[in-house]
Amino acid sequence: AQSVSQHNHHVILSEAASLELGCNYSYGGTVNLFWYVQYPGQHLQLLLKYFSGDPLVKGIKGFEAEFIKSKFSFNLRKPSVQWSDTAEYFCAVKGGSARQLTFGSGTQLTVLP
Amino acid sequence: EPEVTQTPSHQVTQMGQEVILRCVPISNHLYFYWYRQILGQKVEFLVSFYNNEISEKSEIFDDQFSVERPDGSNFTLKIRSTKLEDSAMYFCASDREDLLYNEQFFGPGTRLTVL
Repeated sequence: AQSVSQHNHHVILSEAASLELGCNYSYGGTVNLFWYVQYPGQHLQLLLKYFSGDPLVKGIKGFEAEFIKSKFSFNLRKPSVQWSDTAEYFCAVKGGSARQLTFGSGTQLTVLP
Repeated sequence: EPEVTQTPSHQVTQMGQEVILRCVPISNHLYFYWYRQILGQKVEFLVSFYNNEISEKSEIFDDQFSVERPDGSNFTLKIRSTKLEDSAMYFCASDREDLLYNEQFFGPGTRLTVL
């Protein structure tokens, strides 16, 4: 069975600070990896995804993530956060032939103006 | 841009009552999903649905739950006799059939409160 761990439950940053949110997964085979964001009162939106190829993936709104297979990690980064990045961020994995996503517990990011 | 919609946004019900949560997936999508998130916990997979039948379900999806595509646009989740622990946010999602491009699009969720 696959699982996902997000180590930070709540991160508070000032605008222009750099962001890194940790995500580790547990699955022995081929995985697809995702980061979703949920802005207050809105639905889950895809930030970026990794299926194969270049392990450094660029997504929307200046976010990127790096897949490190040896560490089973897929950390999300942004060099300079904005107040509008305040949201909850979810890492998710899809393993093998399964279609359903397994989510981490989410990280609430608060960016102070 | 097409999006998944869900109704109602908030449903309050008494324990033991039946509830039906409704979703309209994106029109050219063929796989549909329900997930739930109990407050403070992870988003958990409940069930996936393809070609008018359940394709996968989790251990959470017991006999109290059922899903249906009653017409060409709606996808519903029914909870037959709600329990207090069914209180959660329920998300519907859909995606295309092509496994290589399996990005799931989520609806805004229905917050279910069981009293």
